[in-house]
Amino acid sequence: DTAVSQTPKYLVTQMGNDKSIKCEQNLGHDTMYWYKQDSKKFLKIMFSYNNKELIINETVPNRFSPKSPDKAHLNLHINSLELGDSAVYFCASSQDLGTDEQYFGPGTRLTVT
Amino acid sequence: AQSVAQPEDQVNVAEGNPLTVKCTYSVSGNPYLFWYVQYPNRGLQFLLKYITGDNLVKGSYGFEAEFNKSQTSFHLKKPSALVSDSALYFCAVSPLGNTPLVFGKGTRLSVIA
Repeated sequence: DTAVSQTPKYLVTQMGNDKSIKCEQNLGHDTMYWYKQDSKKFLKIMFSYNNKELIINETVPNRFSPKSPDKAHLNLHINSLELGDSAVYFCASSQDLGTDEQYFGPGTRLTVT
Repeated sequence: AQSVAQPEDQVNVAEGNPLTVKCTYSVSGNPYLFWYVQYPNRGLQFLLKYITGDNLVKGSYGFEAEFNKSQTSFHLKKPSALVSDSALYFCAVSPLGNTPLVFGKGTRLSVIA
């Protein structure tokens, strides 16, 4: 039974399109995250939600908008995709921010052509 | 500003030999320190964490890490490396325990049979 799941696993799209990535966790955690891992494997946090409320919004273009319909789900919508958005996007969850281990999803590899 | 340094991009070790993956941090206050491992095409997996207490922390898969406050280090160690330990290892720090994790750039460990 997958703890943190993401869909789709792969996403290939053209510049200018709008796309969404979905994330669900069945761990009962209060905090969820979106990370971006670039081609050099550098990992950077984008957003963090706690009980459906946005608590961290790092320097991310406005084209990226997270949405949390409930505390088990955190989706990521990206408008007007650009070549530089190509990366692997990871969803993660933890009980608390900063002190607890995070559980990561398998990642969504986004390729913008 | 808080930061994490993993000075080695790549560590090579022979199977059966001890391994060390280095991590140093720069934060104000008492840090919360973590190690994660990433296997190819997978999400990150939690290995161990240091919050407080004993400076030697034991984690998953036989890994351990030693917190050294004077040297601001948190090196990952294992007494006897396995080929299956080959992966990308990330050190991370949460400066205050209620702030998001800051990840190092990762160290690729290659264990040679």
